[in-house]
Amino acid sequence: GESVGLHLPTLSVQEGDNSIINCAYSNSASDYFIWYKQESGKGPQFIIDIRSNMDKRQGQRVTVLLNKTVKHLSLQIAATQPGDSAVYFCAENRNAGKSTFGDGTTLTVKP
Amino acid sequence: DTAVSQTPKYLVTQMGNDKSIKCEQNLGHDTMYWYKQDSKKFLKIMFSYNNKELIINETVPNRFSPKSPDKAHLNLHINSLELGDSAVYFCASTGFEAQYFGPGTRLLVL
Repeated sequence: GESVGLHLPTLSVQEGDNSIINCAYSNSASDYFIWYKQESGKGPQFIIDIRSNMDKRQGQRVTVLLNKTVKHLSLQIAATQPGDSAVYFCAENRNAGKSTFGDGTTLTVKP
Repeated sequence: DTAVSQTPKYLVTQMGNDKSIKCEQNLGHDTMYWYKQDSKKFLKIMFSYNNKELIINETVPNRFSPKSPDKAHLNLHINSLELGDSAVYFCASTGFEAQYFGPGTRLLVL
């Protein structure tokens, strides 16, 4: 069956450094990917998305990279801030709006 | 204005009881979901409704019964609560792609 998985369950970075969170997926038919951020006590929040016809998409301080050859995507956060501390989920969305979520990476930003 | 709202935020109850969680979205979305998030933060889809019609039912015990009175509301009723039902339950909605989540309902079964 399909799966979406994150490489590391936890990531700790120093404030001001760049963060990279990785995600692998198994279904080569996946055509749309989303990153969500979940802060403590809240629901997941949309950060950025990318379609399979793109390799890279940039937002404010965030960049998503998609490598379809190895079925891998990453979320890069520039100049990580304490407010970036959260659980990050990648999700793959193919049909009828159903998303398959990865397990989540907990990002901790040290001051 | 809150886009996706859930009530209650916290729910503490005894094993064997029946409880309901309500969800409303004011985004005009056609599709709504219920997810269960366990203590390890894993998000598992339970149900999905599109325009009041059930379209996804992910092998959830039949003690869980969703109800969608209209496309802006999706409620979740749970019968005979068990200890393993303790989790955070999230409602979400979507127009086409990304999902918008509610704040979650923290259910603790004692």
